[in-house]
Amino acid sequence: QITLKESGPTLVKPTQTLTLTCTFSGFSLSTSGVGVGWIRQPPGKALEWLALIYWDGDKRYSPSLKSRLTITKDTSKKQVVLTMTNMDPVDTATYYCALRGSGSYCLEYWGQGTLVTVSS
Amino acid sequence: QSVLTQPPSVSAAPGQKVTISCSGSSSNIGNNYVSWYQQLPGTAPKLLIYENNKRPSGIPDRFSGSKSGTSATLGITGLQTGDEADYYCGTWDSSLSAGGFGGGTKLTVL
Repeated sequence: QITLKESGPTLVKPTQTLTLTCTFSGFSLSTSGVGVGWIRQPPGKALEWLALIYWDGDKRYSPSLKSRLTITKDTSKKQVVLTMTNMDPVDTATYYCALRGSGSYCLEYWGQGTLVTVSS
Repeated sequence: QSVLTQPPSVSAAPGQKVTISCSGSSSNIGNNYVSWYQQLPGTAPKLLIYENNKRPSGIPDRFSGSKSGTSATLGITGLQTGDEADYYCGTWDSSLSAGGFGGGTKLTVL
């Protein structure tokens, strides 16, 4: 059974750095072709693709947020971490992590999401 | 601003059919697979269609997908009230070297 779960602070202050952890089970991030991505959704708005890390360590970022994002993985801990610097109230959103399966070109499984509010 | 363009809303009566369009460009839909996601109120998105027209296990054949050129379409037949949700198309953009989604379409089953 494949599961993903996001964890991190629910409230951050403007200018702070957000660190979110995706803890997964049921698959290995060392399997060729596998990736884990981050997506966010501001309240009442659309999904926004943020970043993806592949089994081989290759990383991809949203061009508009690239300067603020860092994605890393710890294969042995079965975790993927996303950091976003210089948080702003417009970054208030539900943040999801999701599995890009080996050989697939889609996000097959999603975590439940975690709501992050940016406010002083 | 979303990479892909979807209509904000569609509606139809129970039992009827509806289609949702997703428009992109040669750098995304034109040269990459399209997937569709269903987001029921208050829940995480769920994969509905992958590789343009394939359904994951457990997705009923009332849901279908197609792609032509730089556009894709999601079709839903035999509409049920439980199909009321937001639907998103997604793909890869080769120029941006990043993923992207449409702005989402809210389906109302009247």
